[in-house]
Amino acid sequence: AQTVTQSQPEMSVQEAETVTLSCTYDTSESDYYLFWYKQPPSRQMILVIRQEAYKQQNATENRFSVNFQKAAKSFSLKISDSQLGDAAMYFCAYMSPESNYQLIWGAGTKLIIKP
Amino acid sequence: EAGVTQFPSHSVIEKGQTVTLRCDPISGHDNLYWYRRVMGKEIKFLLHFVKESKQDESGMPNNRFLAERTGGTYSTLKVQPAELEDSGVYFCASSQTYYEQYFGPGTRLTVT
Repeated sequence: AQTVTQSQPEMSVQEAETVTLSCTYDTSESDYYLFWYKQPPSRQMILVIRQEAYKQQNATENRFSVNFQKAAKSFSLKISDSQLGDAAMYFCAYMSPESNYQLIWGAGTKLIIKP
Repeated sequence: EAGVTQFPSHSVIEKGQTVTLRCDPISGHDNLYWYRRVMGKEIKFLLHFVKESKQDESGMPNNRFLAERTGGTYSTLKVQPAELEDSGVYFCASSQTYYEQYFGPGTRLTVT
């Protein structure tokens, strides 16, 4: 069965600094997607970034980028120039056709931004 | 464009009572998903509708949970009778494509 592990329950970063959130996953499948979702205190889950496993190039969305290491089954999220609005729970998630496109979630990392 | 909406935002019920959660997906989204996060645990998949049909209900915990999607529009998730371990946040998501799910704000269910 596929699993997703986020080993950092909480992280803090100074405003304007860079922070990296870790995620590892376990799968025997070759075709899959990886996601980072953000859930601010208002509770709406928002998609931050998506990575297709077949793509070698790391996905980037403005200040958010990933380091996708397929062989190591690692999918970390880097947030550059951290802003107060980045404070949220961040969830790493996995999806595959063989898993019926269910999102399989990590436990989440609470990101605190220090002003 | 309106996002995914869920009602109620918070529900407090006593053990043994019935609660119905509602999800209105984004218009035109055939796929609708239910997930839940029990306190202190990971978010777990419950089920997936494609239009009005249940595509995958492998995550439904037991027969106390009943999900429906009338006419392929909104969906309801009924818990009857509710147990203490059902407390948590229930999320609904909808999508046109499998790999881009849009989430609602969630319903926080507290069973006392």
